[in-house]
Amino acid sequence: EIVLTQSPGTLSLSPGERATLSCRASQSVSSNYLAWYQQKPGQAPRLLIYVASTRATGIPDRFSGSGSGTDFTLTISRLEPEDFAVYYCQLYGTSPPLTFGRGTKVEIK
Amino acid sequence: EVQLLESGGGSVQPGGSLRLSCAASGFTFTTFAMNWVRQAPGKGLEWVSGISSTGDNTYYADSVKGRFTISRDSSRKTVYLQLSSLRADDTAVYYCARGRRLGAPGYFFDYWGQGTLVTVSS
Repeated sequence: EIVLTQSPGTLSLSPGERATLSCRASQSVSSNYLAWYQQKPGQAPRLLIYVASTRATGIPDRFSGSGSGTDFTLTISRLEPEDFAVYYCQLYGTSPPLTFGRGTKVEIK
Repeated sequence: EVQLLESGGGSVQPGGSLRLSCAASGFTFTTFAMNWVRQAPGKGLEWVSGISSTGDNTYYADSVKGRFTISRDSSRKTVYLQLSSLRADDTAVYYCARGRRLGAPGYFFDYWGQGTLVTVSS
């Protein structure tokens, strides 16, 4: 089973700054089948990115995904107040069971 | 508008059972896989179970295999999760999520419900 490691655990930044979140897989990810989600307190997760770099419907272009193989990155170019949340990566390049990373919290510095 | 509405959560004693429901609307239910993802208090996301669009294939996390059963009713546009032999570590918010494959072996989740809380405690 492929393990996803997200880093850092917490990222403390100010509005307007750039956020770079990492998701590393223990084995190469087939066809970049990796997704990113945002979750705010008390809310359900929201899909941001799939196939490593494709933005989901309605996601602002300040969110971008990149990477391949075992190393993937979610970048938020300029943090807006509503972007402070927890972000999860998820692997879907293998048949179930499906795997999530443990999350990165982006908090206001 | 795609909507997923979970129900059926509540408090139950260890060893007990519950059935969760997820009513879907706003899309062609029979063409999408459906999944359950849970989140223990203060913890991350854990995929629990999935069912193919036809219902022919079901999948489970090792942590719930043999205790939970997923099913779907196309006439009611509803997916169910039967929880049995519940343990304290099953305490979580359970989310229903629509699965997309786009050629992949697994699913990512493009729409989520708001979740239903299951608490297992004596």
